Amino acid sequence: GNSVTQMEGPVTLSEEAFLTINCTYTATGYPSLFWYVQYPGEGLQLLLKATKADDKGSNKGFEATYRKETTSFHLEKGSVQVSDSAVYFCALSESPWGGNQFYFGTGTSLTVIP
Amino acid sequence: EAEVAQSPRYKITEKSQAVAFWCDPISGHATLYWYRQILGQGPELLVQFQDESVVDDSQLPKDRFSAERLKGVDSTLKIQPAELGDSAMYLCASSLYGARDSPLHFGNGTRLTVT
Repeated sequence: GNSVTQMEGPVTLSEEAFLTINCTYTATGYPSLFWYVQYPGEGLQLLLKATKADDKGSNKGFEATYRKETTSFHLEKGSVQVSDSAVYFCALSESPWGGNQFYFGTGTSLTVIP
Repeated sequence: EAEVAQSPRYKITEKSQAVAFWCDPISGHATLYWYRQILGQGPELLVQFQDESVVDDSQLPKDRFSAERLKGVDSTLKIQPAELGDSAMYLCASSLYGARDSPLHFGNGTRLTVT
């Protein structure tokens, strides 16, 4: 079956530190991969995506590369800011019948301190 | 940018009462999802619609939860009777049908508190 495993948190970093949040997946087919971010009291927002092997998704300084050989999609940012404090979810989707089915990790809470 | 609309934003109800949530997806998005998110956890799929048809409700507690999308556009999720364990965030999302790389677009959710 399909599943996503995320690095457990919480993660606390100082401003301008390097961020890595690990994500690995198991899929039966050829999934698309996503990172979502959730700020307190809000819904999830798409951060970035990659749809095939070796694709790199990027947005707002965040990057993640679709690694089929290691079934991974780790999230990275070179220099975090206080405003990056949020919960981050890794997800995959497959379309066995045309409609997308999504599978989420358990989320990693990030706190950035000044 | 188009958004998924949800209401109400917050709902407080007593156990054994009925409660309903409403969702209007992004125009043109044929696939609609209802998720439940308990604090500190990831979203859990309750029900998935393709147009007006349910395509996955395997995790929906059908003795108390119901969902409909009568005209294939907006949707209502109902809980009757509510229990204390139903306190959670209820998120609606939508995506394009037939587009493998189409992401989920989420609303801001309804925060339900059952007392």
